[in-house]
Amino acid sequence: ELKVEQNPLFLSMQEGKNYTIYCNYSTTSDRLYWYRQDPGKSLESLFVLLSNGAVKQEGRLMASLDTKARLSTLHITAAVHDLSATYFCAVRIGGATNKLIFGTGTLLAVQP
Amino acid sequence: DAGITQSPRYKITETGRQVTLMCHQTWSHSYMFWYRQDLGHGLRLIYYSAAADITDKGEVPDGYVVSRSKTENFPLTLESATRSQTSVYFCASSELGGSGELFFGEGSRLTVL
Repeated sequence: ELKVEQNPLFLSMQEGKNYTIYCNYSTTSDRLYWYRQDPGKSLESLFVLLSNGAVKQEGRLMASLDTKARLSTLHITAAVHDLSATYFCAVRIGGATNKLIFGTGTLLAVQP
Repeated sequence: DAGITQSPRYKITETGRQVTLMCHQTWSHSYMFWYRQDLGHGLRLIYYSAAADITDKGEVPDGYVVSRSKTENFPLTLESATRSQTSVYFCASSELGGSGELFFGEGSRLTVL
């Protein structure tokens, strides 16, 4: 059974600080996804990581994938309040069926 | 560009009643999915569909039924609702091939009393 674990589950950080969210998964997968969810809202796609060593950056967020270690990271640089949200990683299983198994999410609260 | 829409957005029902959550997408995506979101569990896959008339179970299918007679619609039915099915339900779709990225609806919040 595939398990996708995120840590930390809750992260309170100050504006301007850097931090990393970790996503570990228990079985081989070729693709990993990061999503953002604001309270009471739907999920918004942030990054799609398609291969080992992939790195994607958008603004203050950078995601990377190490398929050998079964680890992805989401790095936050100089956090701002607008980044406050819940972040999910998801791992694709079943090949081209596009089934995604999600982690439990990391609730990020950026304090002024 | 309507994308993917869910209805109803909010529903309160009683234990034992049948409830159907609707999902409609305008992209002609081949794949469609139903997830439920519960605190502490993230999102869990209930059912998915690779095309019209092709469906399969996900992680937590018990108590749910799906159908897909048309590519654009993927309704989820709770045949006899239970309190443990109180949750937020998200429908999603993705295209054949491509990156495998899922696009989500706005969610349906279901409360079973």
